[in-house]
Amino acid sequence: KNEVEQSPQNLTAQEGEFITINCSYSVGISALHWLQQHPGGGIVSLFMLSSGKKKHGRLIATINIQEKHSSLHITASHPRDSAVYICAVTGNQFYFGTGTSLTVIP
Amino acid sequence: NAGVMQNPRHLVRRRGQEARLRCSPMKGHSHVYWYRQLPEEGLKFMVYLQKENIIDESGMPKERFSAEFPKEGPSILRIQQVVRGDSAAYFCASSLRQDEQYFGPGTRLTVT
Repeated sequence: KNEVEQSPQNLTAQEGEFITINCSYSVGISALHWLQQHPGGGIVSLFMLSSGKKKHGRLIATINIQEKHSSLHITASHPRDSAVYICAVTGNQFYFGTGTSLTVIP
Repeated sequence: NAGVMQNPRHLVRRRGQEARLRCSPMKGHSHVYWYRQLPEEGLKFMVYLQKENIIDESGMPKERFSAEFPKEGPSILRIQQVVRGDSAAYFCASSLRQDEQYFGPGTRLTVT
């Protein structure tokens, strides 16, 4: 069993839709990260959070420490949001989810 | 302020050769992390370094791989006697403290 589980693995949405990607983890953590990997391979760190909620533009990330669960929301999705979204946790070690591949169709 | 720089971006090595991957962190950042992404697989942590110190190398293969982050100059990930299974994208990230990490563009290593 992976320490970090993401769902769904693949997601296709129409432009404008509200998108949610989920991440559950089974280890103690000091922080949780959401990363975005573009089709060309580059990686961007979207959020690092240890409690509550963060918002950046159309992206919102939440974390529930008690439930060991985080969600990444994208409002008013756009084709340029198409990428792989990766959840990662840091604690005693670093663990990565396998990613959610998002395709937003115009 | 330049971002995290990695070079080379693409590296081709024959089996048995050595590969040296370089990572220059963002200005002022003293924490460096190396990750590997095998083809069709997710990211895996390799090593976490601060200046002149290896903090966590729990993700590093026990043989052939080494990393350093000297007082001056970039961090180096060194792979000796490369094998085909080492072919992957190697990403470096840096942070100011143990907080948000900024990723480099990666080095794609191909072993022929």
